[in-house]
Parts: sequence; C-alpha cells; structure tokens
Amino acid sequence: DIVMTQSPDSLAVSLGERATINCKSSQSVFSSSDDKNYLAWYQQKPGQPPKLLIYWASTRESGVPDRFSGSGSGTDFSLTISSLQAEDVAVYYCQQYSGTPRTFGQGTKVEIK
Amino acid sequence: EVQLVETGGGLIQPGGSLRLSCAASGFAVSTSYMNWVRQAPGKGLEWVSILYIGGNIYYADSVKGRFTISRDSSKNTLYLQMNNLRAEDTALYYCARGGVGGSHSPLDSWGQGTLVTVSS
Repeated sequence: DIVMTQSPDSLAVSLGERATINCKSSQSVFSSSDDKNYLAWYQQKPGQPPKLLIYWASTRESGVPDRFSGSGSGTDFSLTISSLQAEDVAVYYCQQYSGTPRTFGQGTKVEIK
Repeated sequence: EVQLVETGGGLIQPGGSLRLSCAASGFAVSTSYMNWVRQAPGKGLEWVSILYIGGNIYYADSVKGRFTISRDSSKNTLYLQMNNLRAEDTALYYCARGGVGGSHSPLDSWGQGTLVTVSS
C-alpha cells in the first residue's frame, strides 16, 4: 500500500500570509505513460464533505480560487495557499489515486493565527 | 447538476448488517468510477472501496470479505452491503465519484454522507 504522510499536522497562519502543506508518498505516484502525478488535494470544512481542490498534483478544479496551488512530482508534493483568507480555515488532505487501495494523508488543520 | 445522496445508515449491533445506498443524479453511475470513503468521528478520511466502469472492484483490507460494493444502473444507485459490522466501522460513509482521468481519477463529487454507528 502507498502510505501518504502530511506535514505539519496543523498550522496557524495570519490572514493574508502564505500557508504551505507538504505530502509525501511512500512510493512514486508518477505515471510515465501519461506524464501525470496521480495526486489530489481536498479541503474539508466542519460539517461538510471534502471538496476537490487540486488534481494531477497541480491542476486546479474548476471554481477553486487561484490562491490555491499544488506542486511536486514523484513522491513529494505541496499545497500552497498564497494569501490565507478566513474561509480557508479547514482540514486539508492529500490522496493518491495511482494504486489501490487509494490512500489519504492524515490531514492538516489550518487555522488563523 | 451532479448530486449524490447517501441513505441507509443507523445504529446497529456488532455482528449486524446494513446496506447503504447512494442515489446519483446528473450523471450515470454505470459510466463513472464510484467510491465509498468513510470518516470515523473526529478522524481523517479512509478510502473503503471502488467500483470500476468495467466491473472491477477493490476494497481496503479493513473491510475485505465483509463489505460488498455494487450498483444498479436502472436506479442509478451505488450500494455498500456491510456485514459482520464491528465497532471500528463506526463512521460517516460518503460515496464519491471519480472524475477526470478514467480508472485513475480524483474524487470530484461527494455526497453529504450517512452515519453508521456500531454499538451494543
């Protein structure tokens, strides 16, 4: 199984400042056949289902603000919120969809400092 | 508009069975890669199962042999039959659709979830 490890478990950032979450996979999720990383990021606010933010490691889902960006390849990935807004308070999860079982990171809680 | 509505959760004793349903609208479950994901109270997301368009099925080790995923194209509904339930199966169960990418797709639409509580 591919193990996904996020860091940190939580972070507090001032409004307007940058927030960066890291995600490491125990094996590569890059596919040479289609030159894609099978890595997604989700946002989950309290009492709501998860929402897809980023897929293919760096492609924003339609309607997602451009302050959210994803980067990385192979086994190391990051989600960056360039200027944290109050509505970004949530738990963020990475997920690999390269193999089965699909696996999620443990989540990173983002709060306002 | 894509919509997923899960039903069937409830309080069940250990060893019991439940069948969850996920009614889809706005797309066909038969032409999508459909997943179940669960979330124990206060915990993170745990992937449970996937049903491929072609019929291939995969499960998390934690539920293999006890849970069965299926679909009814005529009702446009996804199911999760859960047998021999354990306390550790207590969770909010979400169904989620695989989006772009075919068999390797992120989960682009989620239901609101249905709560399963396993307790005596």
